[in-house]
Amino acid sequence: QSVLTQPPSASGSPGQRVTISCSGSNSNIGSRYVDWYQQLPGTAPKLLIYRNDHRPSGVPDRFSGSKSGTSASLAISGLRSDDEGDYFCAGWDDNLSGPNYVFGTGTKVSVL
Amino acid sequence: QVQLQESGSGLVKPSQTLTLTCGVSGGSISSGGYSWSWVRQPPGKGLEWIGYVYNTETSYYSPSLRSRVTMSMDKSKNHFSLRLTSVTAADTAVYYCVRDKYSGYDLDRDSYDGMDVWGQGTTVTVST
Repeated sequence: QSVLTQPPSASGSPGQRVTISCSGSNSNIGSRYVDWYQQLPGTAPKLLIYRNDHRPSGVPDRFSGSKSGTSASLAISGLRSDDEGDYFCAGWDDNLSGPNYVFGTGTKVSVL
Repeated sequence: QVQLQESGSGLVKPSQTLTLTCGVSGGSISSGGYSWSWVRQPPGKGLEWIGYVYNTETSYYSPSLRSRVTMSMDKSKNHFSLRLTSVTAADTAVYYCVRDKYSGYDLDRDSYDGMDVWGQGTTVTVST
């Protein structure tokens, strides 16, 4: 199972703000950057946020990331119907077995 | 604009070897500042990083798959490959090839800028 824990689901009405949490430990979030990926139904994942709070070119500023201690969050403001999909946090985990890029358990976002 | 395309066997028998190739177009696999990863997603489940390769001879693998995985690059063909041995039903998944971006040429985790380009994915089923 994943070392990064997310709530299984989150929902909101159009225009609302939704926040997704990602909980880890000192060997990952506590000492490394966090990335976020969006996976719309039937498509490949897409990089949404990197290095905790940086948006790649083309990603709307409705999406924002933050990190504090061993937890991180993704916020979606002005929720739209086409935001429905799965969202995964991710990052490097340092352990005795060597570097490992780990994904969170994923959160399904629904627009009511 | 770089694009990635997976190809390979869609059906593999248990205990055999899974082999996939990722063709890179719109850019060179030799470009500095990038490594090349494989990620998989079992049906209805989350994402799992398999490993990455760069500079032809350097690769890192997930600890859970390290004993069965080999990745390689062919700069002349501008593609990279995944080889997974002794497969079981648990290896049934959609396999994605991915480009990893870095802010510098050192390719260390402190300069990692995420998986910025993804292939469309290819389904691999392990079954008799």
